[in-house]
Amino acid sequence: DAKTTQPPSMDCAEGRAANLPCNHSTISGNEYVYWYRQIHSQGPQYIIHGLKNNETNEMASLIITEDRKSSTLILPHATLRDTAVYYCIVRLLLGGNNRKLIWGLGTSLAVNP
Amino acid sequence: NAGVTQTPKFQVLKTGQSMTLQCAQDMNHEYMSWYRQDPGMGLRLIHYSVGAGITDQGEVPNGYNVSRSTTEDFPLRLLSAAPSQTSVYFCASSYSYRGGESTIYFGEGSWLTVV
Repeated sequence: DAKTTQPPSMDCAEGRAANLPCNHSTISGNEYVYWYRQIHSQGPQYIIHGLKNNETNEMASLIITEDRKSSTLILPHATLRDTAVYYCIVRLLLGGNNRKLIWGLGTSLAVNP
Repeated sequence: NAGVTQTPKFQVLKTGQSMTLQCAQDMNHEYMSWYRQDPGMGLRLIHYSVGAGITDQGEVPNGYNVSRSTTEDFPLRLLSAAPSQTSVYFCASSYSYRGGESTIYFGEGSWLTVV
């Protein structure tokens, strides 16, 4: 099962780009990389996902290396409301429709004024 | 659009009591799951279901039961609460395997304290 490694914490100045790295060196060819965030005491919130191409949506950009062993989530202009724990996860597929996601501890991002 | 709804939001139980955490989704998702989250730890999967009538164990299933009689509902039962089950519980749902990817939607959490 592919697992992910993230730094436990990061700081970012408000208005600057936040770049959150994730290593997933054992990822398989058909596994997607997902990013979620969890603001204190709330349920995790979907941000973005990708397979092998870079992706962008209204919240963030996802850069996946060519060998797919790592990725970076980019929040282009971080605000105080982006302070949260960010989870990088790899979607496993077991036996057809069965699926178990492995969640690590994530990166606690602090956006400072 | 309610999404994933969990009840109750807060609950205090005495050791040995039983209770059910309710979870409902209105998105016609096949896949539903329950997680617990403890301080300093990530989300840990308790049980999951890929459709009505089908359930399976996750990482930490002991002390919990689930059933899936309808697509919409996925209740989590604590048969005899223990202090070790003090935690925040999250219910989640998604479409099952469709083209290789599916976004998971989470409820707002249920805070359970067992004394």
